[in-house]
Amino acid sequence: EAGVTQSPTHLIKTRGQQATLRCSPISGHTSVYWYQQALGLGLQFLLWYDEGEERNRGNFPPRFSGRQFPNYSSELNVNALELEDSALYLCASSLQGASNTGELFFGEGSRLTVL
Amino acid sequence: AQTVTQSQPEMSVQEAETVTLSCTYDTSESDYYLFWYKQPPSRQMILVIRQEAYKQQNATENRFSVNFQKAAKSFSLKISDSQLGDAAMYFCAYAPNTGTASKLTFGTGTRLQVTL
Repeated sequence: EAGVTQSPTHLIKTRGQQATLRCSPISGHTSVYWYQQALGLGLQFLLWYDEGEERNRGNFPPRFSGRQFPNYSSELNVNALELEDSALYLCASSLQGASNTGELFFGEGSRLTVL
Repeated sequence: AQTVTQSQPEMSVQEAETVTLSCTYDTSESDYYLFWYKQPPSRQMILVIRQEAYKQQNATENRFSVNFQKAAKSFSLKISDSQLGDAAMYFCAYAPNTGTASKLTFGTGTRLQVTL
């Protein structure tokens, strides 16, 4: 069974541009989570989607947005890129019922570099 | 707000030896979940072990075990008989019982090196 897949693996942008990252959850998982992993800062929660709706949002500015499609795949958009947006962006998925236990299944991440 | 602290940025262990990674957390909740996740280089992060706060018995998964000290708010991970494949970044995480995975709080991680 395929795990969580993310694309692209690497992305290089310049300040002010927009970046779009994509994630496909494990088959049968309806919840998708996005995390930012900046160097030395651990994982910071960005967004949670379930059944096509944004359910929760972390402490990030509105230029971080996303959506979830009917097939439960998800897209993260970062507008007006800033240098500090350079990070590894991790997507994770879970069954809705299992989400309370905190067990997430992660992708390998998309590394965004902003020059 | 809950916080998770991993005070050891890097640790090293020889193959076949035992190593303990430290984690402390701060919460006012009485019931919650604690986790250790492993992130190997360029590979997916995976769940290593989970502990439910209401359970007094320490969780064990093969060579991985935890020392959960609720009063001290401490949750350390012990890796026995270390193997080269254990080399990874290890993250301690906390989730409130009433919350969802979206309320997971991660520590900053401990990078574990395994030497021959």
